[in-house]
Amino acid sequence: GAGVSQSPSNKVTEKGKDVELRCDPISGHTALYWYRQRLGQGLEFLIYFQGNSAPDKSGLPSDRFSAERTGESVSTLTIQRTQQEDSAVYLCASSLGGNEKLFFGSGTQLSVL
Amino acid sequence: SQQGEEDPQALSIQEGENATMNCSYKTSINNLQWYRQNSGRGLVHLILIRSNEREKHSGRLRVTLDTSKKSSSLLITASRAADTASYFCATDVGGYSTLTFGKGTMLLVSP
Repeated sequence: GAGVSQSPSNKVTEKGKDVELRCDPISGHTALYWYRQRLGQGLEFLIYFQGNSAPDKSGLPSDRFSAERTGESVSTLTIQRTQQEDSAVYLCASSLGGNEKLFFGSGTQLSVL
Repeated sequence: SQQGEEDPQALSIQEGENATMNCSYKTSINNLQWYRQNSGRGLVHLILIRSNEREKHSGRLRVTLDTSKKSSSLLITASRAADTASYFCATDVGGYSTLTFGKGTMLLVSP
């Protein structure tokens, strides 16, 4: 595709349910990032994938959060047993490599009721 | 932990005026990037400045980097209402590829 695609664009779920968010990066981009942005706040780093290297998971806030990426393609971010404080916009970005400019998707607005 | 911090948190100016935003960071970097965000969704890359560069221009944007002070500034000249957005700086932490963002500066340009 022409840009980074995220789905769904909006997700409403009940507390305690699991959710899965998807990110399709730009073809050929080896680096992929997930960020979380709460209302009116900055971006909170969650996880970084670079090619076939072990991902940098240092930003994941708890063991309820996990992410996978198959090769240099699609990534999924999974949140288990969602809590109300998980409500935020989840942003995915990709780049040609580490330290290069990021191309962002439009994000997934997650609302946990 | 936060690597970059933007200042001020909010800035309100009139069209035609210049807007200056600052970013301070804590550890050594390979590069520093500025992004713009409209309506709380995807960010758009504005400019990247590498650690061995001191100044960079792109259209009405001018970015400076002072590695001795661990700070950068973004200047938007002759601002327009369409420049209204939040502006974020992003840095790699200690030279690693993980990019972390500051909390942003919210710019309001009034006609």
